[in-house]
Amino acid sequence: GAVVSQHPSRVICKSGTSVKIECRSLDFQATTMFWYRQFPKQSLMLMATSNEGSKATYEQGVEKDKFLINHASLTLSTLTVTSAHPEDSSFYICSVNRQGNNQPQHFGDGTRLSIL
Amino acid sequence: SQQGEEDPQALSIQEGENATMNCSYKTSINNLQWYRQNSGRGLVHLILIRSNEREKHSGRLRVTLDTSKKSSSLLITASRAADTASYFCATAVNQAGTALIFGKGTTLSVSS
Repeated sequence: GAVVSQHPSRVICKSGTSVKIECRSLDFQATTMFWYRQFPKQSLMLMATSNEGSKATYEQGVEKDKFLINHASLTLSTLTVTSAHPEDSSFYICSVNRQGNNQPQHFGDGTRLSIL
Repeated sequence: SQQGEEDPQALSIQEGENATMNCSYKTSINNLQWYRQNSGRGLVHLILIRSNEREKHSGRLRVTLDTSKKSSSLLITASRAADTASYFCATAVNQAGTALIFGKGTTLSVSS
C-alpha cells in the first residue's frame, strides 16, 4: 500500500490564490520530508527540506515567503504556494525517508498545480 | 541543482528488447537510486545501490555503479509495454535522511 499520501492531486485556480498541498507519511513517523518541483519534461528539483518542529530549509532560489512549509506533526507536512501566479504552475511532489542508513525515499503521487 | 546527465534522453524499443540507460554524477555519493515515473504520477523506487557495490539485480532490472567514473547504468531486460515511463537516477550524498539529487531522466517507450 501507499507509504505517502499527497493531496490534492490536481488544482486549477486563478492567479493570486493561495494553494495548500498536504503530504502525509502513512507508515512511519518522519522528522524530515522533502518537497520537489518538476516542470514539464524536466527532472525533479529540490525546493526545501521540511523539518518537524523547526523551520524548513530552502534551496537557493526558492522564496521562503512564497512557498510556506509547515511540518507540525511527525506525519504531516504542508506546502502553501502563496499568491500563486502562472509561473508557479508545476508538478509538486513530496517525499519521505524511512529512518536508517541507505533507505529509499517514498514519494507521494504529486500535485499538478495550474494557475490561470 | 542537478547532479548530472542521463543518456539517452529518449529511448524507443520493441517489446522483448533490452533497454539500457546511463547516468553520470558529479560529487561523491553514499548511494545511487533509480526511480520510475509514469506520466503525471509520483516516483516509484526501483533499486538502490550503495557506493561500495558494483552491481545489483532485482527481477528484470540490473544496475551497475562505477564510482571511479561517477556513472551508473540501468538495464531492463525483456522489456514490456508496461515499462514505458521515465526513469531517473538520483544520488544521496549522506547515508541517512538526505534529499536526493536527480538526473535529467530517460523517457523509455516500449511498443508492442
